[in-house]
Amino acid sequence: KAGVTQTPRYLIKTRGQQVTLSCSPISGHRSVSWYQQTPGQGLQFLFEYFSETQRNKGNFPGRFSGRQFSNSRSEMNVSTLELGDSALYLCASSPSAVAGGITQYFGPGTRLTVL
Amino acid sequence: TQLLEQSPQFLSIQEGENLTVYCNSSSVFSSLQWYRQEPGEGPVLLVTVVTGGEVKKLKRLTFQFGDARKDSSLHITAAQPGDTGLYLCAGNTGTASKLTFGTGTRLQVTL
Repeated sequence: KAGVTQTPRYLIKTRGQQVTLSCSPISGHRSVSWYQQTPGQGLQFLFEYFSETQRNKGNFPGRFSGRQFSNSRSEMNVSTLELGDSALYLCASSPSAVAGGITQYFGPGTRLTVL
Repeated sequence: TQLLEQSPQFLSIQEGENLTVYCNSSSVFSSLQWYRQEPGEGPVLLVTVVTGGEVKKLKRLTFQFGDARKDSSLHITAAQPGDTGLYLCAGNTGTASKLTFGTGTRLQVTL
């Protein structure tokens, strides 16, 4: 079974631009979560989608948004990029159909650099 | 806000030594996971523990979940260079889908 895939792997943008990142979960997984990882803050939860609905949300500004498609693939968008948005963005999928799924499988991440 | 504190933050040891990494919180978690992450890659799940007092072994790695489900430890016996990486604990509460990650322990094992 293929793992979680994320595209692109690397991205360079300038301040004020917007960016869209993509995630394809493991086949059969319906829950997709997004995390931001930075050296200073560590891994922080952004949001989780299940069956095309946002089920949980972290403490990030509205510039960070996401969506999930009927095939469970997910995208996250960051608008009006700031230097502090430079980070590794990780997507994780879970097989659980119940909120609180306890096992998440991570993709390799997208390294975003904002200049 | 749930916080998971890991200690130590950094650990540099020689091959063959034993080590223990701790993960502590004031919150109760319904489950706790340990991940290892290598540079430029996503975290890879090592184990999930769900029962207070539970002990799980994965070859040379031993994981324990505290009785009160607020803390956990990871013990590595006879460390090898391949164990080098960032070790992360992560917990979740019963009704939340999100994982709260620990601060991380960076382990380096040299020959």
